[in-house]
Amino acid sequence: DGGITQSPKYLFRKEGQNVTLSCEQNLNHDAMYWYRQDPGQGLRLIYYSQIVNDFQKGDIAEGYSVSREKKESFPLTVTSAQKNPTAFYLCASKNGAGTGELFFGEGSRLTVL
Amino acid sequence: GESVGLHLPTLSVQEGDNSIINCAYSNSASDYFIWYKQESGKGPQFIIDIRSNMDKRQGQRVTVLLNKTVKHLSLQIAATQPGDSAVYFCAEAVSGGYQKVTFGTGTKLQVIP
Repeated sequence: DGGITQSPKYLFRKEGQNVTLSCEQNLNHDAMYWYRQDPGQGLRLIYYSQIVNDFQKGDIAEGYSVSREKKESFPLTVTSAQKNPTAFYLCASKNGAGTGELFFGEGSRLTVL
Repeated sequence: GESVGLHLPTLSVQEGDNSIINCAYSNSASDYFIWYKQESGKGPQFIIDIRSNMDKRQGQRVTVLLNKTVKHLSLQIAATQPGDSAVYFCAEAVSGGYQKVTFGTGTKLQVIP
């Protein structure tokens, strides 16, 4: 089955620690995205990547970092510089040829203790 | 900055009635629009899309209307069912270049049996 896999589904972190969220897709999509969702709010774009070894900051990139070393993988690191990291994180991918729908993973819920 | 305490608008509809969910988009250059459905604790799922050269598109039980003059998008769901209860998001994108997809804040649809 093709799809997007995010892990872990739930993650707890102490303040001051970095944490990396995994996102893997086997859809052969070129573009990948990370969104943050807070309770009762919409999705806000953190980072996105159109091709391997290239990525762009979204609207709320501060305190986050990404890499795109492989087409199928787009991990997100939440660093200690992110002041309010508790949120639901969603990864998505899209076929890079023109516009099209985003395919989302099931999300990772990060809680900072 | 963040909008602290923002709550999703909620639409309550009797089962069997039609639902209309509205969305105002912000970028005049956007030429591709998508509606997503998100169930609790899951990633958003694609419902229907529309390009700016159209003002109406129909799917199975759903219709999307686009009014570019006032930058307004609506999703109509016919014969609403309990399984339609979810949060609905509109999203906008600009063709060409990086495919940055921006989401609205969402509307919660509650179907009353």
